Amino acid sequence: AQSVTQPDIHITVSEGASLELRCNYSYGATPYLFWYVQSPGQGLQLLLKYFSGDTLVQGIKGFEAEFKRSQSSFNLRKPSVHWSDAAEYFCAVGITGGGNKLTFGTGTQLKVEL
Amino acid sequence: DAGITQSPRHKVTETGTPVTLRCHQTENHRYMYWYRQDPGHGLRLIHYSYGVKDTDKGEVSDGYSVSRSKTEDFLLTLESATSSQTSVYFCAISQALTGNTEAFFGQGTRLTVV
Repeated sequence: AQSVTQPDIHITVSEGASLELRCNYSYGATPYLFWYVQSPGQGLQLLLKYFSGDTLVQGIKGFEAEFKRSQSSFNLRKPSVHWSDAAEYFCAVGITGGGNKLTFGTGTQLKVEL
Repeated sequence: DAGITQSPRHKVTETGTPVTLRCHQTENHRYMYWYRQDPGHGLRLIHYSYGVKDTDKGEVSDGYSVSRSKTEDFLLTLESATSSQTSVYFCAISQALTGNTEAFFGQGTRLTVV
């Protein structure tokens, strides 16, 4: 079965600093990969997704992620963090023929210091 | 925002009582899902539906049942609520089976079982 690991439970960065959130997945074939963001008391919003093709994908709010098959990783990056980026971030994997059932990581809580 | 409405948004119930959560969509998406979100676990799939009257179990289905009599409505029932079912419940919808489309999430229902 597929699985997702987000090794960092909490991350704190200063506003304007760069950000990288780590995500590793386990799946036997090429997965579909997603990053979602959740603000307090809200549902999940899709930041970006990877299905195939270019391994560097661009998303909303200035985020990007890079799929590295050799490392089974799909890390999320942003060159300059804004205070409004403080939220919880979830990496998820979907599988072919899986009914779009997503398996989520445990999330990374991002705090932004002003 | 995708047209997904969860009701109620908050509920407190007593151990042993039945509880039904409702998810209503206006997008005419075929696939609907119930997830629960708990600290340290991310989101875990409870049940999902791939059409009217077609449902299947997810990874944490024990103690839960679902029904889908109309495309737009997906009900989650806790037959006899337990404290371990205290959680935030999210409904999601998706268009495609293959996994290469995103899932859209509702705002969540916070359930407390006392």
